[in-house]
Order: sequence, then structure tokens, then C-alpha cells
Amino acid sequence: DTEVTQTPKHLVMGMTNKKSLKCEQHMGHRAMYWYKQKAKKPPELMFVYSYEKLSINESVPSRFSPECPNSSLLNLHLHALQPEDSALYLCASSQGGHGTDTQYFGPGTRLTVL
Amino acid sequence: DQQVKQNSPSLSVQEGRISILNCDYTNSMFDYFLWYKKYPAEGPTFLISISSIKDKNEDGRFTVFLNKSAKHLSLHIVPSQPGDSAVYFCAASGWNAGNMLTFGGGTRLMVKP
Repeated sequence: DTEVTQTPKHLVMGMTNKKSLKCEQHMGHRAMYWYKQKAKKPPELMFVYSYEKLSINESVPSRFSPECPNSSLLNLHLHALQPEDSALYLCASSQGGHGTDTQYFGPGTRLTVL
Repeated sequence: DQQVKQNSPSLSVQEGRISILNCDYTNSMFDYFLWYKKYPAEGPTFLISISSIKDKNEDGRFTVFLNKSAKHLSLHIVPSQPGDSAVYFCAASGWNAGNMLTFGGGTRLMVKP
């Protein structure tokens, strides 16, 4: 089983709203990732959690706040977003967070910021 | 500076024929390469990977070839099926890259019935 689940599937929010994206995996993976993908572009890495600790933050604006409550769950808290933040947000996980681990992606959350 | 490049933005192939998708990289520290398939509005699906100690890896209709001296890899799909129509991303990582995947820009494959 290589399933990563994400909720919600779609999200529309105003610029003053606070919302959260959720990601879950039950593969026993110890590394989890958030990516942002714009149309016709490859995924861009935002954050990496390795063994529940934030290991990589790719200079993402503070209006995006990640949280890893446990090894199976990953959240992305959103606040005061801009319309240009509209994108597909992808969660991924891998076994140990090593450079030769395969990352498995969830279906994504399509976010629209009005 | 793009470290992983897919120079063909699109490829059209007849059903039953071979599809060959290409990828070039510049960072000689990459030692693990992956191909993902992506449908619109969905997450990328892992297809096949190859370690730098190998030059070929096969899984059913999918074969990945790695030419380290040329810093080039390719994905062969044979026979191609209409359901293979999607965007294909190659990605690279390595022991010194930590948890980071570097993606190419993608190639849109269209398989015509």
C-alpha cells in the first residue's frame, strides 16, 4: 500500500481566512513533504519533516505554517493568503528521508484564493 | 539553473508503438532517478526508479535507461496505450541532497488510438 491521503480535495478561501490542509499516511514513513504545483510546472518543494522535525524550509512565506503532530500526520496551516498562492498543494511521504528514498504523493488539494 | 531538464514539452505517439521520454541532468552528485506520471489535478504517481549503480531497470511495459557518462536517462513505454496519456516528470536526488527531489519540467505524452 502506497497511499497518501489529503483533505480537502478542493478549498476556496478569502484572503482573510484561516484554513488548514491535512495529509495522512499509514506506510510507516518517517519523512513527509509539502509541495506547491502551479499549472504546467513541476512541483516545488515547500517543507520537509524528517522524524517529525522540520528539516527543510524552502524560504516559504510565513503565511504558510506546517505542523507534524505525529509520524502519520502532516498539516499545512494557511492564513492571509494571496491570490497568487492559488495552486495544487501536494503532500508526499518517504521511508526515511534519505536521498535515495522514493517519495509517494497524495492526490493534492486544489486551493483557490479569492 | 535547471539541474534536471526535459527538453521535449510534448510527445505524440500512436497506440501500440514505443514512447521514449528523455531527461538530462547536470549535477554529477545525483545518484537516484525517478519517473512520475501525472494526470491533471491529481498528484504525481510513482512509476519507476533507477539507482546510479545500474544502467537499466524494467517494470512491465516501462523501462528506464541511465547513461551516467552522458548524464542522460530515458523512459521507454512499450507498447504505448491511450491510458498512458499524461504528463511525465523525471526527478533526481542523491545522498548529499538530503530529502530533496529535483524535478524536470515535464513532458506531455499523448497516445493516439
